[in-house]
Amino acid sequence: KAGVTQTPRYLIKTRGQQVTLSCSPISGHRSVSWYQQTPGQGLQFLFEYFSETQRNKGNFPGRFSGRQFSNSRSEMNVSTLELGDSALYLCASSFLSGSNEQFFGPGTRLTVL
Amino acid sequence: GENVEQHPSTLSVQEGDSAVIKCTYSDSASNYFPWYKQELGKGPQLIIDIRSNVGEKKDQRIAVTLNKTAKHFSLHITETQPEDSAVYFCAASFAGGNEKLTFGTGTRLTIIP
Repeated sequence: KAGVTQTPRYLIKTRGQQVTLSCSPISGHRSVSWYQQTPGQGLQFLFEYFSETQRNKGNFPGRFSGRQFSNSRSEMNVSTLELGDSALYLCASSFLSGSNEQFFGPGTRLTVL
Repeated sequence: GENVEQHPSTLSVQEGDSAVIKCTYSDSASNYFPWYKQELGKGPQLIIDIRSNVGEKKDQRIAVTLNKTAKHFSLHITETQPEDSAVYFCAASFAGGNEKLTFGTGTRLTIIP
């Protein structure tokens, strides 16, 4: 069974631009969670989607948004990029919602210049 | 909300020796405690988890213990090998609800050959 895939793996943007990241969960998994990982803040929860509905949201500004499609694939969007948005963005899939076993993808490394 | 503290932040052990990483959590309602291993350039990989109805769980060289009264849980790696070198994260959540996983700040484990 294929694991969680994320595209692109690396991205370089400039301040003020917007970016869209994509995540394909493990086949059969309906929950996708997104995390931001930085050296200073560790792994911070962004949001979770289950059956195309946002089930939970972390403490991030409204510039961070996401969505999930009927095939469970998910995208996250960051608008008006800031230097501090440079991070590894990870998505994790699980069969059910509610913090059941989560399996992470390799992440998208975003650099904002 | 949940708060997870993890110690130590770095740990070096001789190959063949044991390594122990400890975490404490704040929310007594938490009932799911996974451990993740993250190698350089990769996403976190679930290596073992424990639920609150169990005090200890083993899988070959790794084990996790849980003390619900004291609200702490630990990862034990025996007979360490060079490939155990990685960053390890603990996490906690109330599985079954809408609670998100809250992660510890990570432990960089180095195995000295």
